[in-house]
Amino acid sequence: NAGVTQTPKFRILKIGQSMTLQCTQDMNHNYMYWYRQDPGMGLKLIYYSVGAGITDKGEVPNGYNVSRSTTEDFPLRLELAAPSQTSVYFCASSRFVGNQPQHFGDGTRLSIL
Amino acid sequence: QKEVEQDPGPLSVPEGAIVSLNCTYSNSAFQYFMWYRQYSRKGPELLMYTYSSGNKEDGRFTAQVDKSSKYISLFIRDSQPSDSATYLCAMNFQGGSEKLVFGKGTKLTVNP
Repeated sequence: NAGVTQTPKFRILKIGQSMTLQCTQDMNHNYMYWYRQDPGMGLKLIYYSVGAGITDKGEVPNGYNVSRSTTEDFPLRLELAAPSQTSVYFCASSRFVGNQPQHFGDGTRLSIL
Repeated sequence: QKEVEQDPGPLSVPEGAIVSLNCTYSNSAFQYFMWYRQYSRKGPELLMYTYSSGNKEDGRFTAQVDKSSKYISLFIRDSQPSDSATYLCAMNFQGGSEKLVFGKGTKLTVNP
């Protein structure tokens, strides 16, 4: 059982560069989420998707973009990387809406220098 | 007042101890309560999931919800070094919304 798979696991970017964090799930879940986790700050929702073709902003969407062309994949795009985006990024999925448990990937550690 | 408050610790206990982890919340509309365990450099994994008030037991773990006090707890009996992790509480509304509200997590170390 793969569950939620995130790539890459680690990445270092220079200020102003762009990159895409990949997330795929094999549980046929409708809902997918992107969070960032900073030390001592808990999990903050960046974007979420309720199904293919439908996405919406979370708590901290600025500087990020998402797309959902298939049920399985939910990539997160960083344009013009800034030091404030240094964080650990987690993708999660759930079968239905948010009162269902979410299943998380193991994260992407991103440093912007 | 923050929506969900969780003492960040760190909490350090000897092996075999009973551990109590707690969260308080301000929104009385929360009905679904979850505990996630997060090992270092890993994603959170669901540990316990309860609806409304009461207790739920799973092996050495017991989740307790007191809605009148807006207080939830996770008890770990006979704690083991493998329980060393960060524990996050999370909650949501009846009918659900897209956003789970997470506590900031409590870091637990169980010493052999």
